[in-house]
Amino acid sequence: GAVVSQHPSWVICKSGTSVKIECRSLDFQATTMFWYRQFPKQSLMLMATSNEGSKATYEQGVEKDKFLINHASLTLSTLTVTSAHPEDSSFYICSATRGGRGITDTQYFGPGTRLTVL
Amino acid sequence: QKEVEQNSGPLSVPEGAIASLNCTYSDRGSQSFFWYRQYSGKSPELIMFIYSNGDKEDGRFTAQLNKASQYVSLLIRDSQPSDSATYLCAVMKGSNYKLTFGKGTLLTVNP
Repeated sequence: GAVVSQHPSWVICKSGTSVKIECRSLDFQATTMFWYRQFPKQSLMLMATSNEGSKATYEQGVEKDKFLINHASLTLSTLTVTSAHPEDSSFYICSATRGGRGITDTQYFGPGTRLTVL
Repeated sequence: QKEVEQNSGPLSVPEGAIASLNCTYSDRGSQSFFWYRQYSGKSPELIMFIYSNGDKEDGRFTAQLNKASQYVSLLIRDSQPSDSATYLCAVMKGSNYKLTFGKGTLLTVNP
């Protein structure tokens, strides 16, 4: 299979603090990882694309200084929500793809992290 | 026109019936098409993908692709209550592996 883990699965923090979320591919090397955000009853919204060893590519409207992404290795990417505010409360989901398989490449999703900012 | 469109539902079918989920996309350059299932409060899980015109079967699931009509569908045979979830259609274009998702169709299978 292709297993992706996320940690933590949920986090509650105070407004103004920073939160780090880890995404790991457990049984494969992920050339590319993606970070999504999903609000209740809405679809997935891509925040950024992360390639190992290079800067993340952010989608339009996503503040790169607020959502820091580090793809340190082929199995680990982290998302740090800096100075979190209640409006950042959401379900954050990462996905990973092996790469090198062209149009048959698929994204495998982690279980998600539910962030609540008080 | 939205890039990937799905009927939001809810689609309600009785247990044992065939559930048919539909998706249209606007970009003719789209190359791969994916169906994900998402249970409430959980992350999406891949059901199957298709990239050639025609049908692709995997167990109780059949994906159908018609590139001329820019249409992809998912059939679920012998629907079970455990199939009740939101089904997301996603489209990939190009080599950057990015997916564009539809808003999903909520399926309810009634016992």
